[in-house]
Formats: sequence, structure tokens, C-alpha cells
Amino acid sequence: AQKITQTQPGMFVQEKEAVTLDCTYDTSDPSYGLFWYKQPSSGEMIFLIYQGSYDQQNATEGRYSLNFQKARKSANLVISASQLGDSAMYFCAMRTISNFGNEKLTFGTGTRLTIIP
Amino acid sequence: ETGVTQTPRHLVMGMTNKKSLKCEQHLGHNAMYWYKQSAKKPLELMFVYSLEERVENNSVPSRFSPECPNSSHLFLHLHTLQPEDSALYLCASSQAQTLDTQYFGPGTRLTVL
Repeated sequence: AQKITQTQPGMFVQEKEAVTLDCTYDTSDPSYGLFWYKQPSSGEMIFLIYQGSYDQQNATEGRYSLNFQKARKSANLVISASQLGDSAMYFCAMRTISNFGNEKLTFGTGTRLTIIP
Repeated sequence: ETGVTQTPRHLVMGMTNKKSLKCEQHLGHNAMYWYKQSAKKPLELMFVYSLEERVENNSVPSRFSPECPNSSHLFLHLHTLQPEDSALYLCASSQAQTLDTQYFGPGTRLTVL
């Protein structure tokens, strides 16, 4: 069964500091995609970054980078130089496709990040 | 218009009302999804349409009825809802049978009185 674990329900970080949000995953499928989404109070689920299971390099998108450690089954999100607008819920997710062609997107429970001025 | 849009953004309805949520995607995708997000609960997948055919229904009560007339439009018809159905309903789209990103709409915040 697919599972995503986010162990940090909430984090407080000083503005301009870097922050790491933890995510571990579990799947028996050899191919999978890992995603991070940001959900501000407005409710919209905003896609941030994607990492494929066969990608050799860690994904980066502007201030976001994904620290992908396949052997440890972890996919932590790193936000550099945090800004007040980064305050939101952050969800880690994994998409898999089974041998029977069934696709599934599994979400973690999220981490609420609060940036302190 | 780009991305995934949802209307209405907010909806308040009584338990005897019938209403519909609408989702439209402008990304050329061929799979669409309905999710329910309740307070302090993980995101729950409700329905999946892939190539306009429903491929998954996660034991959702029959008071929720999806409709996917084409690959760009998805509806969720609501009737005789319960107060516990109050939640944020999110629509998403992606390319079917790939590991590509699912893109979400802004959601409809539903309150059932």
C-alpha cells in the first residue's frame, strides 16, 4: 500500500531563514512521482515541485528544492530564504501506477508552516 | 483562461437542496478528479475520470453524483446532503496513466446547513 508520512504538524521559522519540511514515503511500485503542494488559507492547492523516481538529480524550482534520498525513501522540501508569503499548509504527495494500470495519488497529512517577521 | 477553474467558489445549501459544482480544465489533460478536504482530515479522493470514463469511486455516498461530459469538464451533482458533507471540494486534472503532475483548481467551499 502507498503511504506518505509528514511528521511535522507545524513549524515556525524566522523570515529569510531556510526551512526543511520532512516527507517519507512507502510504495512497492518501482516507478513513482513525488510532489509538493502549497495550500494557503484561500484553499487552492498550488503545485510547487516534482521529482521522478528515476531522476538522478534533485529537482529545483526557484527557491524550492527537493532533497530526494531514494534509499531512505525520503523527499524533503527545502525552501531557501523564506518569505512571509510562504506561510501555508504544505502537502507531500506520491503518484504511482500499478502493473494493472491503476494510478493513485496519495497525500500526506501536511505541515503548517508559519513564517515569523 | 488557463489552468483549472471551479465554480462556485463558495456554496451554502440546505439539506433538501440540489446543487452542482463545476470544474473546467484548460490544460489539454484527459483525466479529472474530485477530492474532498475536511477540517483536520487527509485529502480524500472521491472520483476519477480517465478518458471520460469513471475508473474509481471510493465508496462515496450516492448523494454525490459525478458527471464528465468531455475531457475538459467535470461536474459534481449534490442532493440531500448532510452537515458532515461540509468541506472544501477540490477538482484536479492530469494526463492519464502517467506520473505527471496533477493540477488543482481553487476549490469550492461547501457549507450544508
